[in-house]
Amino acid sequence: TQLLEQSPQFLSIQEGENLTVYCNSSSVFSSLQWYRQEPGEGPVLLVTVVTGGEVKKLKRLTFQFGDARKDSSLHITAAQPGDTGLYLCAGVSSGAGSYQLTFGKGTKLSVIP
Amino acid sequence: NAGVTQTPKFRVLKTGQSMTLLCAQDMNHEYMYWYRQDPGMGLRLIHYSVGEGTTAKGEVPDGYNVSRLKKQNFLLGLESAAPSQTSVYFCASSDYGGTNEKLFFGSGTQLSVL
Repeated sequence: TQLLEQSPQFLSIQEGENLTVYCNSSSVFSSLQWYRQEPGEGPVLLVTVVTGGEVKKLKRLTFQFGDARKDSSLHITAAQPGDTGLYLCAGVSSGAGSYQLTFGKGTKLSVIP
Repeated sequence: NAGVTQTPKFRVLKTGQSMTLLCAQDMNHEYMYWYRQDPGMGLRLIHYSVGEGTTAKGEVPDGYNVSRLKKQNFLLGLESAAPSQTSVYFCASSDYGGTNEKLFFGSGTQLSVL
């Protein structure tokens, strides 16, 4: 079983601050995804990173895939209350002709106005 | 755009009762999934389907059964509910199943088993 460790588990910051959350594993993934989940809703895909070292930006969110494709980070610049939610990373691995998606346990972010 | 629709949104069962959760998607996706989400445990895959008429076990399949009789529907059944099955259940669908797979999730079903 491939495990994805997310840290921190909880994060509470003031509006305007910067933050980084991490997603780490000892396993190599074909790609890694980041989802955001708001209370009472299902997760929504934010980004998929595929190449080792890849950096993708989505407005104030910057996603990076580690060179060895075992870890990833999400950096938010000037956080806003609308960024509040549960951030989940998910690793895609392949084997025996099929693909498997493994989720981390998530980072719960609260941005205080 | 309906996307992925789950019914019901909330349900309370007594131990030993049975029920079926319905998931419907209108995106013509081949792949469908059932996850459960528990505090501190993340999302865990229960069962999945790679096409109409097919099902397969995921990480935590015990106590659940599924059926995919129609491409757009994926049903999750609990034959004899147990308190350990209290959870939030999410259905998801995708059209690729590969490296760039994009899952579309429903809004979840909150199930309590007393």
